[in-house]
Amino acid sequence: KAGVTQTPRYLIKTRGQQVTLSCSPISGHRSVSWYQQTPGQGLQFLFEYFSETQRNKGNFPGRFSGRQFSNSRSEMNVSTLELGDSALYLCASRNDRVIKQYFGPGTRLTVT
Amino acid sequence: DAKTTQPPSMDCAEGRAANLPCNHSTISGNEYVYWYRQIHSQGPQYIIHGLKNNETNEMASLIITEDRKSSTLILPHATLRDTAVYYCIVRGANTGNQFYFGTGTSLTVIP
Repeated sequence: KAGVTQTPRYLIKTRGQQVTLSCSPISGHRSVSWYQQTPGQGLQFLFEYFSETQRNKGNFPGRFSGRQFSNSRSEMNVSTLELGDSALYLCASRNDRVIKQYFGPGTRLTVT
Repeated sequence: DAKTTQPPSMDCAEGRAANLPCNHSTISGNEYVYWYRQIHSQGPQYIIHGLKNNETNEMASLIITEDRKSSTLILPHATLRDTAVYYCIVRGANTGNQFYFGTGTSLTVIP
């Protein structure tokens, strides 16, 4: 099976812009979670989607949003980018019957 | 979810066993212990998980104390490619897909 894929892998944006990141889960996995990783805060949970519904949400401002499509692919959007949004954004998928999750390679976002 | 405490860094000689400890003194009965590792700037990689019994797979062994308040991940023959940050995570089986990663242990395997 192909692993979790994320696009793009690298992205440079300027403050105030918005960005959309994409995640394709492993075939058959309906749960997709998003994480932000920064040197200062480590790996932090953003949100989880299951069957097109947000099931869990971390402690991030409303500028961070996501959605999931019927084929389980997910996107996350960050509006009005700030310098502090520069991070590695990771997506993870799992089969809902199993707790183990599989991570993608991440999207490195740089905000200038 | 229970908090975990790990040493910030450890060294291990290549070919020797690497023993990475984790304290999770507030773990509750239905919470599993998971280990992931992250090689620089890549996505975290699942290693192993367990509930009560010791577990072994092709990558590592997981030893959980009888009171379940701590565990040890053992890499039996560390190689340079095992240099990574190792995260110990405690999570219940019935909660949402939310892993609290903590700060992990940065393991350096020395030639």
